[in-house]
Amino acid sequence: TQLLEQSPQFLSIQEGENLTVYCNSSSVFSSLQWYRQEPGEGPVLLVTVVTGGEVKKLKRLTFQFGDARKDSSLHITAAQPGDTGLYLCAGFLNTGTASKLTFGTGTRLQVTL
Amino acid sequence: NAGVTQTPKFRILKIGQSMTLQCTQDMNHNYMYWYRQDPGMGLKLIYYSVGAGITDKGEVPNGYNVSRSTTEDFPLRLELAAPSQTSVYFCASSYSRGEQYFGPGTRLTVT
Repeated sequence: TQLLEQSPQFLSIQEGENLTVYCNSSSVFSSLQWYRQEPGEGPVLLVTVVTGGEVKKLKRLTFQFGDARKDSSLHITAAQPGDTGLYLCAGFLNTGTASKLTFGTGTRLQVTL
Repeated sequence: NAGVTQTPKFRILKIGQSMTLQCTQDMNHNYMYWYRQDPGMGLKLIYYSVGAGITDKGEVPNGYNVSRSTTEDFPLRLELAAPSQTSVYFCASSYSRGEQYFGPGTRLTVT
């Protein structure tokens, strides 16, 4: 079983601060996804990164896939209260019929005014 | 499109009771999944299906059963509910094996 560790587990910051969330594994993934989950709802896909070293930007969110495709980071610039939620990384390993998405342990972010 | 819908939203079961969690998607996705999410934790895969008539176990299948008679529906069955099955259950679907679309979840309490 591939294990995806996220850090930190919890993060409480004030509006306007910057933050970085990390997702690490000993396994090499075909691709990696980031989801955000708000209370009482299901996770919603934010981005998929596929190529080692790839960087994708989504407004104030910057996602990076590690060169070796074992890790990823999510950086939020000037956090806003609307960024509050549970952030989940998920690694996809393409091994044919057994291919599955493995979810990380999650980072719970709270942004206060 | 409604996307992925789940019913019920909430349910309380007594130990030993059985129930079926319903999941329907209208995106014509071949792949469907059931996850459970315990408080403060990530998602653990219970069962998945790569198409109608085909199902397979995930990481934590014990105590659950599934069927996939149509592309749209993927119900999850709990036969003898136990307190350890108290959790939030999410159904998801995907066109390919990667990006998944989730339903709103079913919050189940077993007492």
